[in-house]
Amino acid sequence: QKEVEQDPGPLSVPEGAIVSLNCTYSNSAFQYFMWYRQYSRKGPELLMYTYSSGNKEDGRFTAQVDKSSKYISLFIRDSQPSDSATYLCAMSTYDKIIFGKGTRLHILP
Amino acid sequence: DSGVTQTPKHLITATGQRVTLRCSPRSGDLSVYWYQQSLDQGLQFLIQYYNGEERAKGNILERFSAQQFPDLHSELNLSSLELGDSALYFCASSVNLNTEAFFGQGTRLTVV
Repeated sequence: QKEVEQDPGPLSVPEGAIVSLNCTYSNSAFQYFMWYRQYSRKGPELLMYTYSSGNKEDGRFTAQVDKSSKYISLFIRDSQPSDSATYLCAMSTYDKIIFGKGTRLHILP
Repeated sequence: DSGVTQTPKHLITATGQRVTLRCSPRSGDLSVYWYQQSLDQGLQFLIQYYNGEERAKGNILERFSAQQFPDLHSELNLSSLELGDSALYFCASSVNLNTEAFFGQGTRLTVV
């Protein structure tokens, strides 16, 4: 079983829809949870990070962590064509950061 | 702008050659990470340094080596280059070990 699982997509949704991106993990030692956005051939950009269960909101983005289910989500409200990118989840313990493979998201105008 | 600077942005070199990629972390960040990303592939962790010391190694080839200097900048050395080494190489930095990391824009290496 991989430590971090993320559906590669692609996920296509119409503009204005709510997008839900998810990752599951197996290592209960993970302490930090992060979401990155990567445009093609560019460096990953940190969107959200949290170290506790529950929700964290920043503008149109909400990160949700459920440690009991080992499940994290990123919600994007009022999605825009500019949100089209690959989204990577990442999780860390004291000695490593593990990235998911990324989900390709397409927002259709 | 993440504050992490990588040079050069692009590099084209021949097989068998050696190159050095440079990374300047964000001001105050002690931890530096190197990742490789081949076309349409995920981020492959290579190596991590913290305050000058190697902390973790991933799938780094023996032909590759890295170091972090006293001023905290880091260099990744790639030698005996092969066509398959063509990829994007990213550096990231964080304040502490394995907290939120910020990425540079990468070095695109093409081996011909």
